[in-house]
Amino acid sequence: AQSVAQPEDQVNVAEGNPLTVKCTYSVSGNPYLFWYVQYPNRGLQFLLKYITGDNLVKGSYGFEAEFNKSQTSFHLKKPSALVSDSALYFCAVRDIPDSNYQLIWGAGTKLIIKP
Amino acid sequence: KAGVTQTPRYLIKTRGQQVTLSCSPISGHRSVSWYQQTPGQGLQFLFEYFSETQRNKGNFPGRFSGRQFSNSRSEMNVSTLELGDSALYLCASSFSQLDRVYEQYFGPGTRLTVT
Repeated sequence: AQSVAQPEDQVNVAEGNPLTVKCTYSVSGNPYLFWYVQYPNRGLQFLLKYITGDNLVKGSYGFEAEFNKSQTSFHLKKPSALVSDSALYFCAVRDIPDSNYQLIWGAGTKLIIKP
Repeated sequence: KAGVTQTPRYLIKTRGQQVTLSCSPISGHRSVSWYQQTPGQGLQFLFEYFSETQRNKGNFPGRFSGRQFSNSRSEMNVSTLELGDSALYLCASSFSQLDRVYEQYFGPGTRLTVT
């Protein structure tokens, strides 16, 4: 069965430092992987996705994520954190091939960037 | 392009009542998914509609139902409301095509409070 794990409920980073939000997945085939961000009292916003190709994916707001097939991970990274990056981050996966179009979501990681 | 819109944004209902929430997807998007978000349970998938047909369903009781119209607009209905139904209900649309996966775009959500 497909599953996604975000092992950290909360990540604290000082402004200007690099940040990493972790995501690991389990699928039977090849995965489609997504990262979304949710700011307070807002809906989710798409950040980036991995479908195939280059393992390093660049997305919105300076974020990037690295697909690691051997470690079944898709960690979200940013070289220099901003206070405005503070939000809730969700990882999601869809298995390929799969006739079920449903995305499987992680529980979310709260990112707090301190000035 | 206009984003995903949801109405109403806020709703207060009494236990036992029923409620209907509405979602208008991005123009051209034929897939609409609904999610329930609560602090304790995270993001829970309710159902997905594609071309007026329910394509996926999450593990929610039959009190939760939905439909999609020919213009891709979707509604979800919750009957016999319970206190535990208080949540943020999110709608997401995507351009869905067989054998290809596209990211979902979320609306701002409807905050439902059941008293």
